[in-house]
Amino acid sequence: GQQLNQSPQSMFIQEGEDVSMNCTSSSIFNTWLWYKQDPGEGPVLLIALYKAGELTSNGRLTAQFGITRKDSFLNISASIPSDVGIYFCAGQDDYKLSFGAGTTVTVRA
Amino acid sequence: DAGITQSPRYKITETGRQVTLMCHQTWSHSYMFWYRQDLGHGLRLIYYSAAADITDKGEVPDGYVVSRSKTENFPLTLESATRSQTSVYFCASRYRGGTSTDTQYFGPGTRLTVL
Repeated sequence: GQQLNQSPQSMFIQEGEDVSMNCTSSSIFNTWLWYKQDPGEGPVLLIALYKAGELTSNGRLTAQFGITRKDSFLNISASIPSDVGIYFCAGQDDYKLSFGAGTTVTVRA
Repeated sequence: DAGITQSPRYKITETGRQVTLMCHQTWSHSYMFWYRQDLGHGLRLIYYSAAADITDKGEVPDGYVVSRSKTENFPLTLESATRSQTSVYFCASRYRGGTSTDTQYFGPGTRLTVL
């Protein structure tokens, strides 16, 4: 499968902070996706990006599809406790997905 | 609206045993997928199916068998379970649309432990 490099691997958030994570690939994708996984659940789609350069928002989430089609980032603004979980990027090639290893977001004590 | 369901949600088995994980979707989606999730690897594709009676290997198919006699079901069988197959398994489905806007929807997962 194609390798996606997602960073950071983990992060701690404090309520109200803005956080950012990104994903890079050695291959071009026509679609980039961001999923969130809560404990004990399957991944849920947050944002889908279909065109290079596209910037898309979903509430407090903003994601961009890189111009080279080999990268994407996800920003979460004004984080809240329910933002904790694992965030995955995925590149879609026709009907198949390649996933990053995930970014684990936890609340700073 | 049940969507996509998996059973069992948790399973403990022993090395060498055969175990089958079930996946059922109510959307009549053409595509179905099986992934495994391991720490540090994200989700890796095991097998997928484009329609009933059509299946193909993904990234990590060794040790697994699939079948798809009905559109709504896509069971995954470990014929002789090994400890390295301890993982969380996710099933997903996707509408066979003509646009890139169609994407995959995931089940809740099955946590499998092989002793």
